Amino acid sequence: AQSVTQPDIHITVSEGASLELRCNYSYGATPYLFWYVQSPGQGLQLLLKYFSGDTLVQGIKGFEAEFKRSQSSFNLRKPSVHWSDAAEYFCAYRPNTGNQFYFGTGTSLTVIP
Amino acid sequence: NAGVMQNPRHLVRRRGQEARLRCSPMKGHSHVYWYRQLPEEGLKFMVYLQKENIIDESGMPKERFSAEFPKEGPSILRIQQVVRGDSAAYFCASSPRAGAETQYFGPGTRLLVL
Repeated sequence: AQSVTQPDIHITVSEGASLELRCNYSYGATPYLFWYVQSPGQGLQLLLKYFSGDTLVQGIKGFEAEFKRSQSSFNLRKPSVHWSDAAEYFCAYRPNTGNQFYFGTGTSLTVIP
Repeated sequence: NAGVMQNPRHLVRRRGQEARLRCSPMKGHSHVYWYRQLPEEGLKFMVYLQKENIIDESGMPKERFSAEFPKEGPSILRIQQVVRGDSAAYFCASSPRAGAETQYFGPGTRLLVL
C-alpha cells in the first residue's frame, strides 16, 4: 500500500537550533515528493519539492530536504530555526502516475525562546 | 495573480443541513482536487475534477457527498444531511493540466457541524 510516514507527531526546538523533520514513503518507484507548511487556521504553503536530479533540494524560508532512495526518506532540515517557523509540517508525495497526493499525518513544530 | 480561492472560510451547520463549499482554481488551471483534513490528521484525497467531468472520485464517501466543476463558475463540494463526523477542514487544490507535478492549495474551508 502506498503511504507516507512522519514518525514525529510533535517536536520542540529552541530558537536558533537546527531542525530535522523525518519523512518516509512507501511506493514502488520514485515519486514526486513535497513538503508543505500549515500555520494555524491557514492553508498549505509549498516549501519545496523533489522530482528528479540533485537529491538535495532548496526551498523557501531557508529550508532544504534530502531525498535518499535507499532509505525511502525525504527529511526536511533547517540550520537555524526562527520563532515564526512554528507550524504544522506535512510531507506528501504524488506517484509519477496518477493525480492524487498522499499526505503524512504531520509534525507539529513548537519553537521556544 | 490570485491563488486558489475558497469560500466560505468557515461554515457552521446543524446536523441534517446541507453544506456547500466553493473553490475557484488559479487562473489558467482547469483541474481541481478536493481533500479533507480531519482533526489531528493529514489531508486525504476525495475527488479530482476537470471542467464538467469527474475524473477520480475514489476518495469520496459513497453517500451524501457530491462534487461538480461546471463549465462556468467555481467547483462545488456538496455535503447533504451533515453529521458531526463531517466536521473537518476541506481543501481545494488546482493544477494547469492532468498529471501536473504540483498542486496549488487554497486556504481551506473549516466546517463545523453542531
